[in-house]
Amino acid sequence: DTEVTQTPKHLVMGMTNKKSLKCEQHMGHRAMYWYKQKAKKPPELMFVYSYEKLSINESVPSRFSPECPNSSLLNLHLHALQPEDSALYLCASSHKTGTGAFSTGELFFGEGSRLTVL
Amino acid sequence: GESVGLHLPTLSVQEGDNSIINCAYSNSASDYFIWYKQESGKGPQFIIDIRSNMDKRQGQRVTVLLNKTVKHLSLQIAATQPGDSAVYFCAEDRRGYSTLTFGKGTMLLVSP
Repeated sequence: DTEVTQTPKHLVMGMTNKKSLKCEQHMGHRAMYWYKQKAKKPPELMFVYSYEKLSINESVPSRFSPECPNSSLLNLHLHALQPEDSALYLCASSHKTGTGAFSTGELFFGEGSRLTVL
Repeated sequence: GESVGLHLPTLSVQEGDNSIINCAYSNSASDYFIWYKQESGKGPQFIIDIRSNMDKRQGQRVTVLLNKTVKHLSLQIAATQPGDSAVYFCAEDRRGYSTLTFGKGTMLLVSP
């Protein structure tokens, strides 16, 4: 079982809806990530939070809005999405923040939230 | 044998065979590499990692080989089992870049 918990597991939404994906970890990790994965493709980085501050935004459209309320929680707010945004959204955390001389180390992934936009 | 499908290379093996999955990475500055296994409907699971100051690392039934000269990584699975059937991704971490970048992935199919 993964120690990164994502909810909901499945989400279907219309293009005018507002919804949120949630992620929680209690491993004391200070870096948290959102990845997007399309079918038969590798995960693609969206956002990185380090010590609750947004450190990387990979040019993600503003209809995706991340939020890190505290060191254990990571949210992804969704608004006015397009059908092509349908994908598996993966949350991950790591012990190391990857800054300076240190590499990221192992990322621990959740099971993902499968999003379908109609 | 190995084949390249429309989107995902596939390696088909018989149960008990040894499997070798290959990965070419892109950046000579990468100093840490991980292999992940992803089963259908699940998130990626850590298998084994290796730092750039090593060329080989062994785990339980798995071995990772790193050739920095040609920027090549391989995952060897001994005595492959049906439960090993999954998509395998290599990932690289560039020092100070705070992220892992994933390779394209290889689907491993193990038949009994």
